Amino acid sequence: DSGVTQTPKHLITATGQRVTLRCSPRSGDLSVYWYQQSLDQGLQFLIQYYNGEERAKGNILERFSAQQFPDLHSELNLSSLELGDSALYFCASSVGLRVSGTETQYFGPGTRLLVL
Amino acid sequence: AQKVTQAQTEISVVEKEDVTLDCVYETRDTTYYLFWYKQPPSGELVFLIRRNSFDEQNEISGRYSWNFQKSTSSFNFTITASQVVDSAVYFCALSGRGGATNKLIFGTGTLLAVQP
Repeated sequence: DSGVTQTPKHLITATGQRVTLRCSPRSGDLSVYWYQQSLDQGLQFLIQYYNGEERAKGNILERFSAQQFPDLHSELNLSSLELGDSALYFCASSVGLRVSGTETQYFGPGTRLLVL
Repeated sequence: AQKVTQAQTEISVVEKEDVTLDCVYETRDTTYYLFWYKQPPSGELVFLIRRNSFDEQNEISGRYSWNFQKSTSSFNFTITASQVVDSAVYFCALSGRGGATNKLIFGTGTLLAVQP
């Protein structure tokens, strides 16, 4: 158990809908990352937050947004869902020291999204 | 640009055989970090090891060992006396020191099947 929690574990929805994925980082971790794992794209970095502020963006669609709250949990919002958004969405957390690249990211169990 | 290549898509071995998973990386950073993660059939991503670019000492942890060679930009992972529980997808990942993010660049993964 990494200490990172994600809810829900599974989500089935229809095209055009909007969903929210939730992540709670390990106790004491300030940085939260979101990744998408799909068959065609592999594991792709979406976005990173550090102590409530966006730090970096990767291959995140404009239909997707995220935020990190004062209690450090994070939510990933996916809207106008398309079939191709079906994937496993991971949240990870790390301590969040200012020096980049030096930290290990611990991953949650993921949320499996199926868009029908 | 940063890139991680795992040329072996699938490997099948019989229990107790040794197996090496290859990882080749590309980066322009002089300081960088390499990781291995395991994804068992249950789907979660489990952290195995982190290696700094300035430390080329090989590491052994039980049946697992890692060979880091800067000269060939490789960070290979060997499992000795494989067991059925080692069956999983293994990902190699790279994180750079440049910029403000620790985002991970993942390889495409190697599916290891250990037959009893």
